[in-house]
Amino acid sequence: DAGVTQSPTHLIKTRGQQVTLRCSPKSGHDTVSWYQQALGQGPQFIFQYYEEEERQRGNFPDRFSGHQFPNYSSELNVNALLLGDSALYLCASGLAGAPPDTQYFGPGTRLTVL
Amino acid sequence: RKEVEQDPGPFNVPEGATVAFNCTYSNSASQSFFWYRQDCRKEPKLLMSVYSSGNEDGRFTAQLNRASQYISLLIRDSKLSDSATYLCVVTNTGNQFYFGTGTSLTVIP
Repeated sequence: DAGVTQSPTHLIKTRGQQVTLRCSPKSGHDTVSWYQQALGQGPQFIFQYYEEEERQRGNFPDRFSGHQFPNYSSELNVNALLLGDSALYLCASGLAGAPPDTQYFGPGTRLTVL
Repeated sequence: RKEVEQDPGPFNVPEGATVAFNCTYSNSASQSFFWYRQDCRKEPKLLMSVYSSGNEDGRFTAQLNRASQYISLLIRDSKLSDSATYLCVVTNTGNQFYFGTGTSLTVIP
């Protein structure tokens, strides 16, 4: 049983570009949450998707958007990249209504903005 | 004010030592509390949940003090393999995770 998978593993972009990151949840999970982890910091919540809708959102600008597909996989899109968007982007999947400690994190996508 | 505050360390301790990490949270309505472990350049993984009654798992003991909004983690008989960053996590009613900045631990031979 594959756990949470993310692609790509690493990505290098330049300021002003747009990027799309992908996440496949653990089998049987139906919620996907995205987090941004800057160097030396803890992960910061971006948003959560369930039933193909954004259910909760953290303190991130509209440049950060997402999508959830019928198969529960999800994409994170970031427009007009800034140097400060360089970070490890983590995806966590879970089951709606289940305790929070049943969420699993993927290995992350490391984004570098030059 | 940050939702979760942690001392970032680093903590450098010899093998066999006992080390304690502390964390405070600002929202008295926080629902659940955890310690996560994160190895270098890897994803966070759940170490243990934290309850008011305390929670022990082998060499690890976690404690929650709701009145003081304080969470602790005690590691006894430190091993080299315990070297990692330890993240304090609290959740709100929507199961949104709030992470501390993490505390770095290096266990020295």
